[in-house]
Order: sequence, then C-alpha cells, then structure tokens
Amino acid sequence: RKEVEQDPGPFNVPEGATVAFNCTYSNSASQSFFWYRQDCRKEPKLLMSVYSSGNEDGRFTAQLNRASQYISLLIRDSKLSDSATYLCVVNIPTSGTYKYIFGTGTRLKVLA
Amino acid sequence: GAVVSQHPSWVICKSGTSVKIECRSLDFQATTMFWYRQFPKQSLMLMATSNEGSKATYEQGVEKDKFLINHASLTLSTLTVTSAHPEDSSFYICSASRRPGVSYEQYFGPGTRLTVT
Repeated sequence: RKEVEQDPGPFNVPEGATVAFNCTYSNSASQSFFWYRQDCRKEPKLLMSVYSSGNEDGRFTAQLNRASQYISLLIRDSKLSDSATYLCVVNIPTSGTYKYIFGTGTRLKVLA
Repeated sequence: GAVVSQHPSWVICKSGTSVKIECRSLDFQATTMFWYRQFPKQSLMLMATSNEGSKATYEQGVEKDKFLINHASLTLSTLTVTSAHPEDSSFYICSASRRPGVSYEQYFGPGTRLTVT
C-alpha cells in the first residue's frame, strides 16, 4: 500500500462547481498534513495546512480524519484559475527527524 | 518571508559529466532541506533528507554515491549529480523547512530542469 494515495483524476468541473478531493495515508504516526497546489512545470505552492478541527480559507476547506486516516480538500465556487494539480502531503517522523511524503496528485480542470 | 532559491533553473549537460545544483533559504534558517525528483506527469519523489552538519538520509533506491548532497550551513544545501546519464534527466526540486516547533511547512525552490544528452 502506498504511503499516501490520491485519485489522479482528472476532475473536469464547470466554473462555479464544488469539488472535493480525498487523500488517504498509511502511517498512523503522521503528524502534519498539507495540501499543495502545483501548476504545470512549476514548483508546488502551499495551499493550506490541515488541522484536526478542520480549517477554512476562503473557498477552500480542509478536513482531517485521524481515525480513518484520510484528509480532504473542498473547493467551492470553482474558478478557471483553480485548474492545477493538488498534492496531498503528509509529514512522517523518521529516525529522529521527519520527512514529507507526497501523494500522486489530483488534476483539476475547471471549464468555462 | 520563507523564500527558497535554486540555481541553476535549467541545465543541459553531456552524458558522463557532473552537475551541481544549489538550494538556498534566503530569509530563514533551514534545519532540514529535502531533495525531490519529478518525472513528467508524475508526483514528487523524495530523494533524500539533509540536516545541517550531518550526512544526508537517502530514500530506498537512491544511490548516495551518484547523488551527492552537502548541507554545510543553515541556508545552503547542494545536490551533485555525478556521471549524469540521460535517464537522470528530470525536474529536481529542493525544499526547506524551518526548525521544528516553529513550523512544519516546507517551502520549495523553483526547481532545476536537468537535461542530459
């Protein structure tokens, strides 16, 4: 089983739609969780951290379910500019330090 | 704040030569830096974790003698691809993380596109 799994998509949605992505992780010792956005041929940019109580930033809502070991990202009122690949990232402690594991990413295309 | 630079942004080299890529945290101290590789239409694959002043920890399947990592200061890490071959052509991205307890978020450099001919 992969450490972090995502549906690769693509998700094709019309402008204004609401879309949700899920991500599952296998290591129960994972401490921190993030959603990153990556545009084609660019580096990933932090979209938001994911907190246990759930958190919202404008049109974006992130949720964490530790019991089921998954996180989610909800995008409301999709814009054309939201088209990108969304990466689920999990921070895992290892050998006295920590590392980040990326999911494969979910491609989103918002259509006019 | 939290700017990470990477140099060069792209490089073309001949098979058998070595290439050095620099990663710098410009406005913060990075205890830990990470090196990733991304092939077309794939996600980022962690190559190694680099802590300042100590040897890098390599992921399974990554040859430490081929991908030399040096993290000499809290603001600079370098990745040297030795005896590069065409299959090493990829997008190499570094990231830096502040000291634990301040933030676990990592900040990415803009990446280096390596083409080996």
